[in-house]
Amino acid sequence: RKEVEQDPGPFNVPEGATVAFNCTYSNSASQSFFWYRQDCRKEPKLLMSVYSSGNEDGRFTAQLNRASQYISLLIRDSKLSDSATYLCVVSSQGTYKYIFGTGTRLKVLA
Amino acid sequence: NAGVTQTPKFQVLKTGQSMTLQCAQDMNHNSMYWYRQDPGMGLRLIYYSASEGTTDKGEVPNGYNVSRLNKREFSLRLESAAPSQTSVYFCASRLQTGGLAKNIQYFGAGTRLSVL
Repeated sequence: RKEVEQDPGPFNVPEGATVAFNCTYSNSASQSFFWYRQDCRKEPKLLMSVYSSGNEDGRFTAQLNRASQYISLLIRDSKLSDSATYLCVVSSQGTYKYIFGTGTRLKVLA
Repeated sequence: NAGVTQTPKFQVLKTGQSMTLQCAQDMNHNSMYWYRQDPGMGLRLIYYSASEGTTDKGEVPNGYNVSRLNKREFSLRLESAAPSQTSVYFCASRLQTGGLAKNIQYFGAGTRLSVL
């Protein structure tokens, strides 16, 4: 079983739709969680950190469920510019390593 | 702000040739990382350096060597390139002093390497 698993997609949604991605992780000692966004042929860039109580940044909402060991990303009112691959990233306290999921592709259609 | 700078952006090598990928960060970060990204595989850690003067193997270190030249620079060397090393290589850095905000990794723009 991979340490971090994501549905590769693609998720094809119309503009204005709400879409949600989940990511599961296997290491219960994981402490830090992030969502990164990667555009085609570009470097990953931080979208948002995921806090224990959940957090929101504009149209984006991230949630953490430690009991079931998954994090989620909700995008409301999708824009064409949201089309990208979304990477789930997990790190354990006291380690220097980040574990990346393989990413979920989102295509927002006009 | 330059952030993380990688050179070169593109490179084509013949099997057996050697080369060094350069990475420099100007954010005074302690930790630096080298990843490779292949289709369907996600980002895989090659080597990392927790602090100046230290380096450690990641998930896929075979065929690579690294040097943490100083706090700013972390280079990746391919001594004898193989077609299996065709990939996109990303360098990243992180402050690493505790606290969620300081644990964010910042990436360079990547090096696209083809080994023929």
